[in-house]
Formats: sequence, structure tokens, C-alpha cells
Amino acid sequence: DVKVTQSSRYLVKRTGEKVFLECVQDMDHENMFWYRQDPGLGLRLIYFSYDVKMKEKGDIPEGYSVSREKKERFSLILESASTNQTSMYLCATSGGALNQPQHFGDGTRLSIL
Amino acid sequence: GQSLEQPSEVTAVEGAIVQINCTYQTSGFYGLSWYQQHDGGAPTFLSYNALDGLEETGRFSSFLSRSDSYGYLLLQELQMKDSASYFCAVNNNDMRFGAGTRLTVKP
Repeated sequence: DVKVTQSSRYLVKRTGEKVFLECVQDMDHENMFWYRQDPGLGLRLIYFSYDVKMKEKGDIPEGYSVSREKKERFSLILESASTNQTSMYLCATSGGALNQPQHFGDGTRLSIL
Repeated sequence: GQSLEQPSEVTAVEGAIVQINCTYQTSGFYGLSWYQQHDGGAPTFLSYNALDGLEETGRFSSFLSRSDSYGYLLLQELQMKDSASYFCAVNNNDMRFGAGTRLTVKP
């Protein structure tokens, strides 16, 4: 079974802080994704990566950056956290072809005070 | 750009059949996926349609019509445990999800 591990289940940070959300997968998948999920808006793609050191913007990249230094790890960075970034953050991975299913982590519920 | 539309809520009774529709607009398209998410849980993959037609997996079936930019998820013999949110997603060079349909199954 694919294991996608997100570093924290719940996280509380303050406005202006730099926040790191970590995602690690154990299946050697090429593709990794970061989404945020808000009520009524579904899952919105922030950034994704097809390979080490490679990143592509999704629909809502503003205020975020990512890092993929190793294949198994994809980090989401909130450069200067703001209250409107309070959300559930989900990491997902997929391998190979584009029709392969995505496997999700359990999510990090981030609150910015 | 890309957009997906699906109903926000659907209610049905145990044992019934329910269909959740999804219409999409996209500049590129490889296929349509469906995911299930229980409250507090992670989304899990249900099915994928790359070609027109029906794909069946047990009680769940998914349909795609590329010419109509339309698909649906069909759930048969509904059980209480099927109460969850269901998301359609367009597979392109990445993945775009709809806002989700909350299904409530009543006894």
C-alpha cells in the first residue's frame, strides 16, 4: 500500500510566521501535489512536482512556495502566513502515467491566528 | 482554464440508486476520475474513465461522454457507509477537482 505521511495533523501558527508543511511518500512516485480544501470549494491545487527540483504552479500559488530536493519529500512553505491561509492542506502522490490514481495523506489542519 | 460542476448535496435512502453528475470545461483532457472522502478522512480513488462509456466496479459505476463534457458516478444498493463527499476530477497534465457532492444516505 502507498503510504503518504504528512508531518502534522493539526498545526497552529501566528500571522507573519514562515510555515513548513512536509509530505513524505514511500512508493517512489514521480508526481507529488499540494492542495488546500475549504468548505464549498473542494480541493484546489496549489503546486505540483513531476520530478526532483521540478515544480509547477497550480490554481492558487500566491503566498506559497514548494521544495522538492528528494524524490520522496515535497514541502509546502507559507512564506508569511496570513489568516486566509487557515485551511486543510492535503498532499497527494501518483506514479507514472497521468491516469494513475492519486494517493492522499491524512491532511494537515492549519490554523493561522 | 478549467472548471467542473457537480451538485453540492444529494440525499437518498438505503438500498436505492443515486447518480452524481459532473460537467466540465477544460483545455486539455485525458480522463475523468472520481474520489470519495468521508468526514475527517483523506480522499480515496474510486474510478477513472479515459474513454466514453461505462466503467463498473462493484456497486459503483462511472460514465463518461467526451462529446458532452459530462460524466456521472452511479452508486447502487446504497449503504449507510456510502455517506460521504464525492469529487469528480479532470486528469490533464495535472489534476483539477470539482467542489464535491455531499451524499447523505438515510435509513
